[in-house]
Amino acid sequence: AQRVTQPEKLLSVFKGAPVELKCNYSYSGSPELFWYVQYSRQRLQLLLRHISRESIKGFTADLNKGETSFHLKKPFAQEEDSAMYYCAPKGEGQNFVFGPGTRLSVLP
Amino acid sequence: DSGVTQTPKHLITATGQRVTLRCSPRSGDLSVYWYQQSLDQGLQFLIQYYNGEERAKGNILERFSAQQFPDLHSELNLSSLELGDSALYFCASSVRRTAVTGELFFGEGSRLTVL
Repeated sequence: AQRVTQPEKLLSVFKGAPVELKCNYSYSGSPELFWYVQYSRQRLQLLLRHISRESIKGFTADLNKGETSFHLKKPFAQEEDSAMYYCAPKGEGQNFVFGPGTRLSVLP
Repeated sequence: DSGVTQTPKHLITATGQRVTLRCSPRSGDLSVYWYQQSLDQGLQFLIQYYNGEERAKGNILERFSAQQFPDLHSELNLSSLELGDSALYFCASSVRRTAVTGELFFGEGSRLTVL
């Protein structure tokens, strides 16, 4: 069965500290992995996708197929990073499966 | 605004009632997805339509139904409402049948409260 876990419901860090939001998935085949973000009073939106190997707003995510993980990282958190983050694997021809989400709170 | 629009934004109703949530996808998008987000829960996929036809079904209750019309807007009908149906219902759209580019565009959601 397809499953994605984000073990932390809430993660609080101080501004300037590194942050890592964990995501583990259980998925048949080789899914594509995405991170979505929802800032306060904004719509849920795509943050980044692993296939692009991109860095968005200083965030990167490494796909570890051996550990089936796709953790989101940023070396220096900013207050504007406070938001709800969802990990979302997607199999070919299949729909997104969203994780339960992690609320990141960056403290001043 | 050519983004995904959902109406109503808020809806309060009583148990046993029936409501309809409406979604207009982004201009040019053919796929519409419905998700439910209950308190402290992630997004649960309900159903997807592509160009008027049902394409995929998730954890959608039999009391719920949806359709996509020729103009591509979609409606989610929730009937015999129960307290547990209180949630935020999101609509999302994408260009293609399987969101090949990997991006879903979300609406702001419709918050349903069942009393």
